[in-house]
Formats: sequence, C-alpha cells, structure tokens
Amino acid sequence: NAGVTQTPKFQVLKTGQSMTLQCAQDMNHEYMSWYRQDPGMGLRLIHYSVGAGITDQGEVPNGYNVSRSTTEDFPLRLLSAAPSQTSVYFCASSLAGYSSYNEQFFGPGTRLTVL
Amino acid sequence: EDKVVQSPLSLVVHEGDTVTLNCSYEVTNFRSLLWYKQEKKAPTFLFMLTSSGIEKKSGRLSSILDKKELFSILNITATQTGDSAVYLCAVNGRTRGKLVFGAGTILRVKS
Repeated sequence: NAGVTQTPKFQVLKTGQSMTLQCAQDMNHEYMSWYRQDPGMGLRLIHYSVGAGITDQGEVPNGYNVSRSTTEDFPLRLLSAAPSQTSVYFCASSLAGYSSYNEQFFGPGTRLTVL
Repeated sequence: EDKVVQSPLSLVVHEGDTVTLNCSYEVTNFRSLLWYKQEKKAPTFLFMLTSSGIEKKSGRLSSILDKKELFSILNITATQTGDSAVYLCAVNGRTRGKLVFGAGTILRVKS
C-alpha cells in the first residue's frame, strides 16, 4: 500500500493563478480531509469528505474547492491564489464505521508559496 | 465551537528528563482524543483515547484522558534527542473523521 500520496511536494504560484493539489489513498478509506498548517497554529481543517460524492466545509474553506468523485481521490483546488494561502497542505484519510474512533493517516504534505 | 489548547507551547529539556505535555479541550459530543508526533513532515499517530482513566502506553510514551476535567496528558520518560518534535493533540467531536487540532507543543531534547 502506498498509503496517502500527495502531489506536488512543492509549488510556487503567482497571485491570481489557479492550481489543484492532488491527494490519493489506496486504503479504501471513506473519510478524507484537507488541512493547512501555518506556524504556531497547528493544523486547520479546510474541507472534508465522508464518502464519494459528499463534501463539506471545515474551519477555513474560503478560497478552496474540493470534489470527491471516487473513494480514492480528493483534489483541492485553489481558484485564484493569494499570498495568505502560502502554507503547508496535508491530506488525510481514515476509516469510518459506527465506532469510528479511527486515527487519520496523513500524506507527506505540499509546501505552497504564493508570491 | 470546538477548541483544543495545548501547553506549554514549547520546552527544552536534557536527555533523560521526563516531560509532561498537556491538552485541554472543549468539544461537542466528544468521540476521541488523539496524539500525533510531527518531525518536519507529516504527523504520525501516537495514541487514541476514548475512555477516562485508561492509560495508553507505547515504550517510553504514555497518555491518559480525563473526560470529566476535559484534558489529556502525554508523558515521555527518559527523553532522547529523537523525541524532539512537535506534539499535536486533536479531538474528534460531532462529525466523525473531522479533527480539531491544538497549536502543538514544540519539544527540544538536548544531548
């Protein structure tokens, strides 16, 4: 199993450009999430999905879109990049179930800089 | 709004010391509390706690949860330089799979 994979590892954008951060998992996890991590602020949830075709907003969703057409993939789109979106982005996945006290598995992260 | 507060924000210890990291939380419909270790890359899972008073242990690391007082502690005994990392606490509340993280505690272990 590759676990959770993210591409690219690094990206530099100019203000106003758009791009998609890719995330895939091969563990058949129902839940997938996107977080951003900024210094001194821990991880903040951007969007999450509880299954294919279902997405919802997290704590900081503005400026980001997501879709979940398959169980495996959960791309994050920046429609018009802003310097405030400079951050490290982590994708995570976990199992569901009635007693869903399951840990989340994290991808290696994407370091994004917006100039 | 769900909230997680970790303390201290950072600390520096010497090898062999014992450290205690704190995590307090306010969350609707508490499901679980998780501890992660982060060393310059993705967080890696340490413990998941769901019941009060039951200690989880892995080698020199242990953790316990108090659901009445709404906090958890993570203990590391006989610290080593490899324990240097950011330790993150997260809670899972009303929505399954949706974690709320604290800001983390930066631990530096000096040799």
